[in-house]
Order: sequence, then C-alpha cells, then structure tokens
Amino acid sequence: EVQLVESGGGLVKPGGSLRLSCAASGFTFSGFSMSWVRQAPGKGLEWVSSISSSSSYIYYADSVRGRSTISRDNAKSSLYLQMDSLRAEDTAIYYCARVGSSNWDYFDSWGQGTLVTVSS
Amino acid sequence: DIVMTQTPLSSPVTLGQPASISCRSSQSLVHSDGNTYLSWLQLRPGQPPRLLIYKVSNRFSGVPDRFSGSGAGTDFTLKINRVEAEDVGVYYCMQATQSWTFGQGTKVEIK
Repeated sequence: EVQLVESGGGLVKPGGSLRLSCAASGFTFSGFSMSWVRQAPGKGLEWVSSISSSSSYIYYADSVRGRSTISRDNAKSSLYLQMDSLRAEDTAIYYCARVGSSNWDYFDSWGQGTLVTVSS
Repeated sequence: DIVMTQTPLSSPVTLGQPASISCRSSQSLVHSDGNTYLSWLQLRPGQPPRLLIYKVSNRFSGVPDRFSGSGAGTDFTLKINRVEAEDVGVYYCMQATQSWTFGQGTKVEIK
C-alpha cells in the first residue's frame, strides 16, 4: 500500500523558515516524480512544486519561487520542501503527492498533510 | 496561466440522485502530444485528496463506476450517477497540460 507521511509543519513567524518532509513507503520511490500541493484555510488546492525521479527536473509555482527549494533523497525514500522567508499567505496544509504518470498529468496518491502556520 | 473555473460552487443533492460538476479552462487543455490532461479529485472531510478521474474520462483504480468524466477542449464534466452519503466533500478539477492548476472546488452536500 502506498503511504506518504508528511512532517515538519508548525507555527513560524513571518520571515522564518521551515523544512517539510515526506516519508514514502509501499512503492519504489526512486521511480516516481513527486509534488507538493497546499490548501490555505478555507481555500482550494494550489500546486506548489514538483521534482522528477532523479531530481533532473524541478518546477515551482510563482508564489513560492525563490523562497522554496524542493529536494529528495531516493536512498531514504523521502521528499523535502525547504521554505524560507515565510509569509502569512503561506499558511496552509501542505500535502505531499505522487505523480502518477511519466506525463506528469495526475497526482495519484496523497499524504494526510502537515499544517504550516505563519503568524507573529 | 491556465485558469480553471468550476460551476456550481455548491451542489445540494438528494441521496440516490445524480450530480454534475462543470469545469471550464481559460484555454484548450489539448497538449502538444495530443492528450488532454484534465483530472478530478475528491476531498472528503478529514481525508487527503483522492484521485477519481485522469485524462478526462479514465477512472482511477478503485473508484466506483458511478463516477464518470467527460469533455474536450475547454469544457469538462464530472458526473456522479447516484450520490451516496460517502460522496459528500469538495471536488476539484485539475489541469496538467501547462503547469498545474486547480479549479476553486465544488462542495457536494446532501439535501
């Protein structure tokens, strides 16, 4: 069974940093691209960032580009999102999602999410 | 950026009756490879998003056949044949033809 477990969320002050982690199991992690998607309170889903299986291709939403870094460690079956210069509008549940196809066209497995709250 | 617009934003439905959600994109979702990358996800209270449909009309593994997707170009529809209590939640369309963007979500609730 595919399992994705996020961690690292919490309360941080504006301008602060957080590193989110996603531990994957139940599939060959190194064979899949991965993504981060977030949902702000009372809002819809927003794609944040994606990374290919070998880290050769990396993509960011404009809203986080320059402030966030996605990475992965295939040996540890883990995905990461380093978030810097955090703003109030970054407050959200952050989901780790597996990219289900080589065309990057859908996210077929999701974690439960980790809550990031940016507030003074 | 491709903007995805869903209607309605809220859909009260009687149990056993059908429900339909529309999703319109600001530009064609036909990719240069000829595929149309439109998927549908379900977000139930307290649960992570769940993939229902990919590439417009392909039901994902384990998804009941009362869920179906259709459409082409810029107009797409998710239909729930006979709504069950477990279908309550928010439904999102997502395009992956050019980056990834979601619709605003449609809340399905029981009347």
